[in-house]
Amino acid sequence: DTGVSQDPRHKITKRGQNVTFRCDPISEHNRLYWYRQTLGQGPEFLTYFQNEAQLEKSRLLSDRFSAERPKGSFSTLEIQRTEQGDSAMYLCASSLRASWEGSSYNEQFFGPGTRLTVL
Amino acid sequence: KNEVEQSPQNLTAQEGEFITINCSYSVGISALHWLQQHPGGGIVSLFMLSSGKKKHGRLIATINIQEKHSSLHITASHPRDSAVYICAPEGTDKLIFGTGTRLQVFP
Repeated sequence: DTGVSQDPRHKITKRGQNVTFRCDPISEHNRLYWYRQTLGQGPEFLTYFQNEAQLEKSRLLSDRFSAERPKGSFSTLEIQRTEQGDSAMYLCASSLRASWEGSSYNEQFFGPGTRLTVL
Repeated sequence: KNEVEQSPQNLTAQEGEFITINCSYSVGISALHWLQQHPGGGIVSLFMLSSGKKKHGRLIATINIQEKHSSLHITASHPRDSAVYICAPEGTDKLIFGTGTRLQVFP
């Protein structure tokens, strides 16, 4: 399977613990996005990378959250001192950002998500 | 006011019916994405468009940039079309998601 993969698929943790999620994008994709989705809501943007550079972080991403993409391939999202409000589905997507004749193309391919439950 | 508004929020249909989902947005965009999310969370990209109309099989997406409005149509709906459909305008390199339209198609 050459799609976007995420690990783990489910994580249950106790409040105050640290958790780390991994995303493996489609191999030739230069962009990698992290989103968070709570029940009944649409996804919300957290952060994204162009290759290994983190280009933007949402205000939603408190200092307990950190993301890396060390070699421009896989990415990790770490949440320190988890809180019950962190319970959500964490989605990763990748894209091959390109421009052609004045138009931009940024179709995003999503992974299956990691469902986090903080008790 | 939300930056992305979808209507209706919930939609039920009989198999074979023509479905329309609407999306209005207030931000400037470079493109607009329509996504499908099945129970269990998996999201699939259906369309990315910046003008006019696109068609894939029974699905048609249109956009009017001047009016900041897009529609997703499903012709001859089928129970396997049951899912949440999400409109996501693309701002500066990131998507802004609507809350989605939950579609249920009954046989």
